[in-house]
Amino acid sequence: AQSVTQLGSHVSVSEGALVLLRCNYSSSVPPYLFWYVQYPNQGLQLLLKYTSAATLVKGINGFEAEFKKSETSFHLTKPSAHMSDAAEYFCAVSDLGTGNQFYFGTGTSLTVIP
Amino acid sequence: NAGVTQTPKFRILKIGQSMTLQCTQDMNHNYMYWYRQDPGMGLKLIYYSVGAGITDKGEVPNGYNVSRSTTEDFPLRLELAAPSQTSVYFCASLFGTAEAFFGQGTRLTVV
Repeated sequence: AQSVTQLGSHVSVSEGALVLLRCNYSSSVPPYLFWYVQYPNQGLQLLLKYTSAATLVKGINGFEAEFKKSETSFHLTKPSAHMSDAAEYFCAVSDLGTGNQFYFGTGTSLTVIP
Repeated sequence: NAGVTQTPKFRILKIGQSMTLQCTQDMNHNYMYWYRQDPGMGLKLIYYSVGAGITDKGEVPNGYNVSRSTTEDFPLRLELAAPSQTSVYFCASLFGTAEAFFGQGTRLTVV
C-alpha cells in the first residue's frame, strides 16, 4: 500500500528565504514520487517527479526535490522564495501499478511574507 | 489543445437531487481519474478508469457512479446528493508514466 505524509499543513517564509516542504512516503515497491502545486481556484500542476532516475530532481519555477530512500523522504526545496510561490503544495506517490493510482498527501499551504 | 475540461465549474444541489459532472480530455490518455478535495484532507480517489469500458473504485466510491464509453469522456454521476458530497471535484488523465493533467475543478455544494 502506498501513502504520503506531509509534515506541516501551513508553512510561512519570508520573501527570499529558503523554502522547505516535507514529504515522507510509504511504499511496498519502488515508488514514483511527485510534487504538485495548486494556485487558488485552479487545478493541480506538476512541479516535478521522481521516476527512479537521478535522486535530485529539478522542476519548474526553481523548485527541486531529493529522493532519499533511507529516510523515505522526498522533500521539496527552493533556495529563495518569491511572492508568486504562495500556493498549496501536494506530494503524491504512485507505484504505477494497477490503475496507475496516485495517493496524495493532505497538502501544505505556503505563505510568503514580503 | 484544451487538455482536461470539466463542466460545470460551480453547482448548488438540493439534498436528494442527482447530477452528472462532465470530464473530457483531448490527449488520448488511457487513464482517467476522479478525485474529491476537502479542506485539510488532500485529494481522495473516487473512481478511476484504465481505458474505455473499464472502471474501478478508488478510496471513496460510495454515493458515486462512473462510466467510460469513450477514451475522451469520463462522467461522474451523483444519484442522491447528500451534504457530505459538498466538495471540490477534480478530473485527471494520464498516459503511461507521464504527467497527470488535472481539470480546473467543479465546486459542488449540497444544501
